[in-house]
Amino acid sequence: EIVLTQSPATLSLSPGERVALSCRASQSVRTYLAWYQQKPGQAPRLLIYDASNRATGIPARFSGSGSGTDFTLTISSLEPEDVAVYYCQQRSTWPPGFGQGTRLQIK
Amino acid sequence: EVQLLESGGGLVQPGGSLRLSCVASGFTFSSYAMSWVRQAPGKGPEWVSSFSGGGAGTYYADSVKGRFTISRDISKNTLFLQMNSLRAEDTAVYYCAKDPILGASPPTFYFDSWGQGTLVTVSS
Repeated sequence: EIVLTQSPATLSLSPGERVALSCRASQSVRTYLAWYQQKPGQAPRLLIYDASNRATGIPARFSGSGSGTDFTLTISSLEPEDVAVYYCQQRSTWPPGFGQGTRLQIK
Repeated sequence: EVQLLESGGGLVQPGGSLRLSCVASGFTFSSYAMSWVRQAPGKGPEWVSSFSGGGAGTYYADSVKGRFTISRDISKNTLFLQMNSLRAEDTAVYYCAKDPILGASPPTFYFDSWGQGTLVTVSS
């Protein structure tokens, strides 16, 4: 079973700053990786699929990159509404699985 | 607009059963793979089970195989999860989620729309 390790566990930045969240897989997932955003009390929301493709309706400030074992979710300019927990998820190898999340806070 | 509305959660004793429902609207339900994903308190999501687009197959996590059964009623645009032999570790919010690709078989195991969730608590 593939283990996804996200770092950092918590990140606190100011509005307008660039954000980079990391997801590392225990073995290659090729580009079969997605990113989700979960705000308090809400369901997760798909942001990125296949490592770098933005889902429908997702703002352009969100981008994804990487392949194999190392992936990054970048927010080009942090907005207050981006406060959330971010999860990566792989579908390359059975069973599909999620990382433990990175909590993004606003300073 | 895609809408998914779960129901059926509640408090159940270990060894008991529950049946979750998810009513879908805003898309052609019969043509999309659908899944159940759960999230225990303070934890990340965990995929539970999926039903292929077109109804060709079902898939289960090892942790629920033999205890949970996924099914659907196309006439009612409803997805079900029958949960038997429940354990304390099954306690979680259960989400119904839609596959992003029309007719995906097997499912992509990505989830582009989610319901609001229904809480299942297994405790004596």
